[in-house]
This record gives sequence, structure tokens and C-alpha cells, in this order.
Amino acid sequence: QVQLKESGPGLVQPSQTLSLTCTVSGFSLTSNSVHWVRQHSGKSLEWMGRMWSDGDTSYSSAFTPRLSISRDTSKSQVFLKMNSLQTEDTGTYYCARNGLGPFDYWGQGVMVTVSS
Amino acid sequence: DVLMTQTPVSLSVSLGGQVSISCRSSQSLVHSDGNTYLHWYLQKPGQSPQLLIYRVSNRFSGVPDRFSGSGSGTDFTLKISRVEPEDLGVYYCLQSTHFPYTFGAGTKLELK
Repeated sequence: QVQLKESGPGLVQPSQTLSLTCTVSGFSLTSNSVHWVRQHSGKSLEWMGRMWSDGDTSYSSAFTPRLSISRDTSKSQVFLKMNSLQTEDTGTYYCARNGLGPFDYWGQGVMVTVSS
Repeated sequence: DVLMTQTPVSLSVSLGGQVSISCRSSQSLVHSDGNTYLHWYLQKPGQSPQLLIYRVSNRFSGVPDRFSGSGSGTDFTLKISRVEPEDLGVYYCLQSTHFPYTFGAGTKLELK
């Protein structure tokens, strides 16, 4: 079955770089896009960017130029890197598959706190 | 960016009742390919969001027919009939016609 799982540090210091990994199973990264979505605690959802199935990327202007998304198809992994983190980057980060809808399957999310 | 305005912010419903949630976009969601990329999600407490409806009115796999979506252009509605306890949570609309994709602020469905 389709599964996505985010992993990464729960705590990042201000001005540092956030690195997250989304490991997928049950589908191929060369067949489906994968998105990254952020949610501040108790707030709505914010689309960050997309790794297309052909390897291209799209980003929300709210995060460029500090956001980068890449992948390793051999490991079925999609990576998020975002630099210059600030306290307002604290939140839960999700990866989600693009299928029938833009996010038809989601990971469990990883909570990231930006604090010194 | 396309602004998605959801109303109401919260709803109280009795089990077995019916509710409607509105989602309005600041510009038309009709894509140049003719499709309308408006979708609905439910986030239950402590869980990741889950897809309910894609492209206005198509129920995702396993979603009961108590959920229905309708609308066109800039005005969309999610209806939930015969509300059950597992329907409680926050509902979000999402547009993926225009970059960047944008979500509504959410509608919290609670028990009366």
C-alpha cells in the first residue's frame, strides 16, 4: 500500500538549515509527484513545493530562494532543505503524494521546532 | 496568490444532521485544460489531513457517499449528510489550478 514517512531533526537552531527526508513505498517517484506542506500549530496548511515525477521542481514564492527539494529514486526518497530558519518556521512538515488529487496520501508529519 | 475563503469558521452539528461548508476563490479555478482543481480534505484531531473530494465532486477511494462536493468557477460547497462521529475535525479546501497551491483557513466541525 501507499505510504510516506517523514524523518528529520525535531529541533533546529535559528539561522541553521532544515533537512527532512520523505521515504515512500507503494509507488514510484518516477510515476507520481511528491509535495511538501507545512502546518503551523493550530493553523491552516501551506504548500511549499513539489518534486515532479520527471525530476523537475516547483516552489512556492513564499519559500524561495531558501527552499530546495531533491530526490533519490533508487532509495525512494524525497528531500527538503530549507536554510536561514527562523522561529516562524516552527511547525509540522508533511510530504504527500500527488495522485487523483494533489495530496491523496500523506505522511504522518514531522514536528520541527526552531529554537536556540 | 489565489485567496481561498472558507465559511463558516466553525460549525456545530448533531449526529445524523447535515451541514454545508462554502469555499470561495479570489479568481476562477477553471484550468486552461478545462478541469477545475478544487479539492476537499478532512484533518481529524492529531492526524494528517486526508483527501475526501478531488476536482470539485469526485469522492476519493473509501469516502462514503454522505460527502458530496459541488460548485464551479469561484464558488464551491462541501455537503455532509447524516453526520457521524468520525466526521468531526477540520475541513480544508485546496486549489491546485494556479501556482502556488493555496488552502482555505479551515472549518471546524464539532458536535452540538
